[in-house]
Amino acid sequence: TQLLEQSPQFLSIQEGENLTVYCNSSSVFSSLQWYRQEPGEGPVLLVTVVTGGEVKKLKRLTFQFGDARKDSSLHITAAQPGDTGLYLCAGGGYKLSFGAGTTVTVRA
Amino acid sequence: DTGVSQDPRHKITKRGQNVTFRCDPISEHNRLYWYRQTLGQGPEFLTYFQNEAQLEKSRLLSDRFSAERPKGSFSTLEIQRTEQGDSAMYLCASSWDTYNEQFFGPGTRLTVL
Repeated sequence: TQLLEQSPQFLSIQEGENLTVYCNSSSVFSSLQWYRQEPGEGPVLLVTVVTGGEVKKLKRLTFQFGDARKDSSLHITAAQPGDTGLYLCAGGGYKLSFGAGTTVTVRA
Repeated sequence: DTGVSQDPRHKITKRGQNVTFRCDPISEHNRLYWYRQTLGQGPEFLTYFQNEAQLEKSRLLSDRFSAERPKGSFSTLEIQRTEQGDSAMYLCASSWDTYNEQFFGPGTRLTVL
């Protein structure tokens, strides 16, 4: 099983601030996905990164895949309360391995 | 709405009872996956179907668990003789192909008393 470690575990910030969450592994992944999950709901796919060094932007969210394809980061600019949720990274092909997630709280 | 749907959304049962959950994948997706998520953890893979064939089962799936996808469309996950340790969110996902992105349903929250 390929393990993914996410940090920090919890993050609480004020509206308008920036934040970064990290996803690290000792294994190489062919691709990594980022999901956001709200309480009582299933994970919602945000993005898939495939190429080492790749940077993808989704409005205020910027995703980066490490050159060695072992790590990834998610940066949110000018966070809003609607960004609150559990952010999960996942990889491993059809049998996805998930990190434990980062719980992000954006205070109004 | 053509996303993945799951039923029921919540289930409370007493220890020892049997429960069954249903998942309806996105209609054109022929891969279907079941995951389990406990509090404070990410989802863990349980099993995977390609059409009606169950191709892989995790060691997490004890012999009290059985999953089916009889016509290659919807799937059911049954837990027999439930235990308190079975309390979790059970998530279903589907994809068009094996290495395509997986889309998740809203989950079934199981509480075993």
